[in-house]
Amino acid sequence: DQQVKQNSPSLSVQEGRISILNCDYTNSMFDYFLWYKKYPAEGPTFLISISSIKDKNEDGRFTVFLNKSAKHLSLHIVPSQPGDSAVYFCAAGGSQGNLIFGKGTKLSVKP
Amino acid sequence: SAVISQKPSRDICQRGTSLTIQCQVDSQVTMMFWYRQQPGQSLTLIATANQGSEATYESGFVIDKFPISRPNLTFSTLTVSNLSPEDSSIYLCSVARDHYGYTFGSGTRLTVV
Repeated sequence: DQQVKQNSPSLSVQEGRISILNCDYTNSMFDYFLWYKKYPAEGPTFLISISSIKDKNEDGRFTVFLNKSAKHLSLHIVPSQPGDSAVYFCAAGGSQGNLIFGKGTKLSVKP
Repeated sequence: SAVISQKPSRDICQRGTSLTIQCQVDSQVTMMFWYRQQPGQSLTLIATANQGSEATYESGFVIDKFPISRPNLTFSTLTVSNLSPEDSSIYLCSVARDHYGYTFGSGTRLTVV
């Protein structure tokens, strides 16, 4: 059973608009969450994170929202740029130190 | 963040052979993680490698198939043994400095023919 789910395998957005990537989790013991971006033939690169004690974290064009009661987090990218086109993974972690990843959402930002 | 050098970046191997992947970190880290990403799948943790002790394997992964070495705090290897086409994946190592300091190697793309 997947503990971290990204139900949208792909998302297409027009340049300048908002991209919203969603992630659901099942394990209430997760206490931090991260988003990674992955370009083809490269390893994932860290994007933004949020602790379970917060409900929002913002870094430039990227904002992550956490709804603990719904076990849901989302990544907002505003405004979206063509260079944002990549696969985005959400990940959750707990006390054991390892991360559990979703399957990823492929974002395409069209000029 | 730590800088990780992972090699080889890709390889094509024959069935029944083995491939050893190396990860070198530019600073000492306690925990190193090995992940696999099969086509269309999420990153899946294979094992956690701690220096000075045996690696801890996740369900579905065994030491005979994925032996890991961790001789010091800056280096680890993952060997994928007795290769079959199902082992064709991207393999990634990762290190954790703190909860928000995870970094990944650039990955090893393995194709088994």
